[in-house]
Amino acid sequence: NFMLTQPHSVSESPGKTVTISCTRSSGSIATDYVQWYQQRPGSSPTTVIYEDNQRPSGVPDRFSGSIDSSSNSASLTISGLKTEDEADYYCQSYDGSNQGVFGGGTKLTVL
Amino acid sequence: QLHLQESGPGLVRPSETLSLTCSVSGGSISNDNFYWGWIRQPPGKGLEWIGSIYYSGSTYYNPSLRSRVTISMDTSKNQFSLRLNSVTAADTAVYYCARRARRIDPWGQGTLVTVSS
Repeated sequence: NFMLTQPHSVSESPGKTVTISCTRSSGSIATDYVQWYQQRPGSSPTTVIYEDNQRPSGVPDRFSGSIDSSSNSASLTISGLKTEDEADYYCQSYDGSNQGVFGGGTKLTVL
Repeated sequence: QLHLQESGPGLVRPSETLSLTCSVSGGSISNDNFYWGWIRQPPGKGLEWIGSIYYSGSTYYNPSLRSRVTISMDTSKNQFSLRLNSVTAADTAVYYCARRARRIDPWGQGTLVTVSS
């Protein structure tokens, strides 16, 4: 099986852009789609990006996703940061036996 | 709109069995486009995949939990369930049920299960 590694925390100022990485330990990042979830304190996770770069309806276009085969990683980019974006963010994919794999999560602080 | 709600005991004794049910409203778990899954989150920690069940009854479990986990479904009640045997304090977590296609969405509100004597 593989692991998805995220930075433990990132911080940036309102109005700026931040990128959170998610590196796959083995196998290609392109093998299966990557999803990103936002979890605010005390709440259930919600999807902000699915299938590498798709936004669910209602998610602002300030959120974007991509994958990079050269670094074997996925990225979540949030532009025009708002204080309401402060949350934990998790990347997620699937292994070859239909098991979900989560990254360890990244705490985003908007200060 | 699809809604999922977890239910079950909030306290389980060590070595006993944790049992949770997820009630689904606003859609049928017999829909062949979706899986139905369980995810947990220990206090202050990250998300851990437990497993999922397909409408056909096929199940897929996290290898690290496979020997202790059973996920089942009751289509007549539009519910699916989680059983985790031989629990220890390490199984203390918020347990979420969720619908799974490619993305996991929506999630239930989660229920805290504490393993303690």
